[in-house]
Amino acid sequence: AQSVAQPEDQVNVAEGNPLTVKCTYSVSGNPYLFWYVQYPNRGLQFLLKYITGDNLVKGSYGFEAEFNKSQTSFHLKKPSALVSDSALYFCAVRDIRLGNKFYFGSGTKLNVKP
Amino acid sequence: AAGVIQSPRHLIKEKRETATLKCYPIPRHDTVYWYQQGPGQDPQFLISFYEKMQSDKGSIPDRFSAQQFSDYHSELNMSSLELGDSALYFCASSLVIGDRGFGTGELFFGEGSRLTVL
Repeated sequence: AQSVAQPEDQVNVAEGNPLTVKCTYSVSGNPYLFWYVQYPNRGLQFLLKYITGDNLVKGSYGFEAEFNKSQTSFHLKKPSALVSDSALYFCAVRDIRLGNKFYFGSGTKLNVKP
Repeated sequence: AAGVIQSPRHLIKEKRETATLKCYPIPRHDTVYWYQQGPGQDPQFLISFYEKMQSDKGSIPDRFSAQQFSDYHSELNMSSLELGDSALYFCASSLVIGDRGFGTGELFFGEGSRLTVL
């Protein structure tokens, strides 16, 4: 079964501090992993992805994520949070062996306080 | 760069009415996905199309149907609307990846159509 888990409904962090939003996956074979951000009443914006290669991938707005195969994780990180980073973050996995299905996690609300 | 276009952006309907949402994918994208996102919920997959054929089906009610046309735009038709159908409906497009295509993997989302059923 394919699944993506985001164990935290909400993450609170002070501006300037590092942030981590967690994601774990369970998928057979090599996963295609993604992070999206959603601002209120807006569509989902692509942040970054892991397909193959270096485990640390860099994306938009200073975000990065680390793929850890042994822990089946793909945590989103940023060294220094901004208030404007406050939004809903979704982890997703795509399985090319099953008709290109695309699964989202339940989302994590990031609150960055000044 | 061209993005995914959805129309209408907002729609208000009464119970038991019908509604049609339209999606225009990014040019040359061969896959279209429809998602429903209720208040405070994650996007729920409804249905997808690859090269104008239905490729996968998720939690789409029998009252809903969708199709992809020869110009690759897609329409989601919703009938006998219920209060619980009030949600944000997203369309996304992509190039298929793997043996059948050369996509880069990510889905590109439109801004969504907000349906309110009164």
